[in-house]
Amino acid sequence: QVQLVESGGGLVKPGGSLRLSCAASGFTFSDYCMSWIRQAPGKGLEWVSYTATRSSSFTNYADSVKGRFTISRDNAKNSLYLQMNSLRAEDTAVYYCARDRSGWFLVHDSWGQGTLVAVSS
Amino acid sequence: QSALTQPASVSGSPGQSITISCTGTSSDVGGYNYVSWYQQHPGKAPRLMIYDVSNRPSGVSNRFSGSKSGNTASLTISGLQAEDEAHYYCSSYTTSNTLVFGGGTKVAVL
Repeated sequence: QVQLVESGGGLVKPGGSLRLSCAASGFTFSDYCMSWIRQAPGKGLEWVSYTATRSSSFTNYADSVKGRFTISRDNAKNSLYLQMNSLRAEDTAVYYCARDRSGWFLVHDSWGQGTLVAVSS
Repeated sequence: QSALTQPASVSGSPGQSITISCTGTSSDVGGYNYVSWYQQHPGKAPRLMIYDVSNRPSGVSNRFSGSKSGNTASLTISGLQAEDEAHYYCSSYTTSNTLVFGGGTKVAVL
């Protein structure tokens, strides 16, 4: 069955960096676009970033993270990544890795369990 | 891009039908048929319930249905069951080439 497992979350100081990973299994990873979606504690969902089937082909970002976050993927390792730089308190959230079924970034039919990122001094 | 507007909470008794609204603008909900709905139980990852306004993925009960009129999309849950108690989020593609979510609606089964 489809499985997405995030890792790399933790406590980081404002201005710091963190790299999240998502290990995929149970499907042909290279055939699917992938997104990162986050959820601040007690809040709603926020789409963060998307990568096409080959990260060199197309990526997109929410305005709130543009210029600070970089999404990438390694299809040979069935893995998705999110490099987060210049972190702010408002980036504190559970970060979900999600598979897209629309061929773009519109419909997420499988989600990981999430990894918590806390930005605090 | 502002979040789509959803009611904070909706409640109903077992067996009843409830409808959750998701209001946007012509730049998102009204402009495209790319509205999805997700169910999230406490401490769990979201689950896709409806996509492209009214399509149900395999495995989702036909008690869940979606529709759209103008800038407002709706999710209807018929034959409400205790297991339906959860948060529900809508999402839509936007003219800014981004994806925006609603603020979420807590469904309570009385």
